[in-house]
Amino acid sequence: DAGITQSPRHKVTETGTPVTLRCHQTENHRYMYWYRQDPGHGLRLIHYSYGVKDTDKGEVSDGYSVSRSKTEDFLLTLESATSSQTSVYFCAITGRQETQYFGPGTRLLVL
Amino acid sequence: LAKTTQPISMDSYEGQEVNITCSHNNIATNDYITWYQQFPSQGPRFIIQGYKTKVTNEVASLFIPADRKSSTLSLPRVSLSDTAVYYCLVGGYKAAGNKLTFGGGTRVLVKP
Repeated sequence: DAGITQSPRHKVTETGTPVTLRCHQTENHRYMYWYRQDPGHGLRLIHYSYGVKDTDKGEVSDGYSVSRSKTEDFLLTLESATSSQTSVYFCAITGRQETQYFGPGTRLLVL
Repeated sequence: LAKTTQPISMDSYEGQEVNITCSHNNIATNDYITWYQQFPSQGPRFIIQGYKTKVTNEVASLFIPADRKSSTLSLPRVSLSDTAVYYCLVGGYKAAGNKLTFGGGTRVLVKP
């Protein structure tokens, strides 16, 4: 929906390894978001972007960085992955009616 | 962003109407109420949004009383495929960053 893809869809990595997740959108939306979803916590906002090179922190931003060098791509980087970052990561954009549309998710396992 | 409270889970049967009530006592004047649906292994999907009174679309209805301190999502004649988690969110329509705060959601199980 809304032309959002995420890559990779699944990843297994080791503690201390850097990891980059990619969100790609095809409809030129200004706002993009990264969430994580864990059992018992619903979805929590990590970082968001309101334009190229314009980003801000969400409620659980520690250990994560983001970059947006092009409108269509929003990258989430775990500089040094930890087991507590094992989660499902969702990218979203703000589309019509000012509502958010979500990507299919990336399942990350940090061993 | 206003905090929301909704039941943790609800069971229903095929063909019945399901009503999920969400409390949001601290809703602000410019806040809208939005509901999302999430199936396992998928991202949340927008269902419906409203500000006051009643809103209806092809999927659901949203009832909002005059004081706006609660809202009720109504799913008519549910089927097994409506089994999902439903999230109630409250926030400004064009709030800075359009940020959303998700609570725990209501897990709806539709039985045959």
